[in-house]
Amino acid sequence: DAKTTQPNSMESNEEEPVHLPCNHSTISGTDYIHWYRQLPSQGPEYVIHGLTSNVNNRMASLAIAEDRKSSTLILHRATLRDAAVYYCILRASLREAAGNKLTFGGGTRVLVKP
Amino acid sequence: SQTIHQWPATLVQPVGSPLSLECTVEGTSNPNLYWYRQAAGRGLQLLFYSVGIGQISSEVPQNLSASRPQDRQFILSSKKLLLSDSGFYLCAWSAPRGDTEAFFGQGTRLTVV
Repeated sequence: DAKTTQPNSMESNEEEPVHLPCNHSTISGTDYIHWYRQLPSQGPEYVIHGLTSNVNNRMASLAIAEDRKSSTLILHRATLRDAAVYYCILRASLREAAGNKLTFGGGTRVLVKP
Repeated sequence: SQTIHQWPATLVQPVGSPLSLECTVEGTSNPNLYWYRQAAGRGLQLLFYSVGIGQISSEVPQNLSASRPQDRQFILSSKKLLLSDSGFYLCAWSAPRGDTEAFFGQGTRLTVV
């Protein structure tokens, strides 16, 4: 499985942007970059995914490097409810590739200060 | 719309007792199904995944087994629980494509005593 590397933790002030980096230097050409977050005592929640181009949705933006070896999740205005562990995951595009499984690493714990 | 049901929410079982956790998905067909475990203060570990009825892949050797008797039913079992089986168990499903999101159940918190 292609692996990702994320910082263990990051702090942010409320209503400020948060930039969460992820390195995935062994990414293959058909791997999608997925981001999930996990709030305390809950299951993970999908945030965003992309392949090559930058992506935006109501929760966040995903900036993907041109060589696809790194990406950054951007929370535009952090709120206290955004405090969670954020996971960057590579996911194979084909079902035959081990069931498109999501393999979670350690993630980044985001702390939001009021 | 699609939903995922996982039960029970909490479970306390003695060492050596059997285990059966059930997960069902509604509103979709032929999903990929996954079982994860999260020990206290740790990350999510993928235990099993399934791409079809009767097709189970195990990610790590352990005291657990999984079965998929129907398209949208995924069962996690153990014949004899160990203390180390305690944790937060999560079921998830996704469409069989890498550009789709995965949906997680609410989880079962298992304590083996």
